[in-house]
Amino acid sequence: KQEVTQIPAALSVPEGENLVLNCSFTDSAIYNLQWFRQDPGKGLTSLLLIQSSQREQTSGRLNASLDKSSGRSTLYIAASQPGDSATYLCAVMENQGGKLIFGQGTELSVKP
Amino acid sequence: DTEVTQTPKHLVMGMTNKKSLKCEQHMGHRAMYWYKQKAKKPPELMFVYSYEKLSINESVPSRFSPECPNSSLLNLHLHALQPEDSALYLCASSRGQVNYNEQFFGPGTRLTVL
Repeated sequence: KQEVTQIPAALSVPEGENLVLNCSFTDSAIYNLQWFRQDPGKGLTSLLLIQSSQREQTSGRLNASLDKSSGRSTLYIAASQPGDSATYLCAVMENQGGKLIFGQGTELSVKP
Repeated sequence: DTEVTQTPKHLVMGMTNKKSLKCEQHMGHRAMYWYKQKAKKPPELMFVYSYEKLSINESVPSRFSPECPNSSLLNLHLHALQPEDSALYLCASSRGQVNYNEQFFGPGTRLTVL
């Protein structure tokens, strides 16, 4: 059974720091991995989608990498800003059914 | 337009009520999803519709009844719910159900069952 783990569970950093969020999964037979951001009480905003054949994706200050063989993904946020404060969720899709399996999330707080 | 809309934003209902949640997208997506999210927990898949047909039911109790009247619209009919069903209900859509497709989520409906 696929399990997705995110470390750390919470992170507090001063504004301007570069930071890395980690995601690991137990079964490497995934089709893709998606990173989301969720603000309190809100829906999910898709940040990046990495296909299983890809190694990384970039969008603005965000860079996500994928190492399928080791079951790991990282989300790199450059020059963090207070507006980046949110919970970041990674999710893997392991079959063609479209079911996403989520990690527990990393709650990020960026202090001005 | 990359938006998934959900109504209502908030819903309070008693255990004997019947209510419905609505989700709409106009991106031409052919797969739509219902997820349930309890406080401080990640979303969990409930149902998947592909080309207006139910393709996945994650063993959800029958008091939750999904419906997909057309390719843009997804409903979730609620009847005889329990207080433990209180949660944020999220709708999502993607181009298709197959792999590679990015899922886009709506803002959710916050449901409270009294």
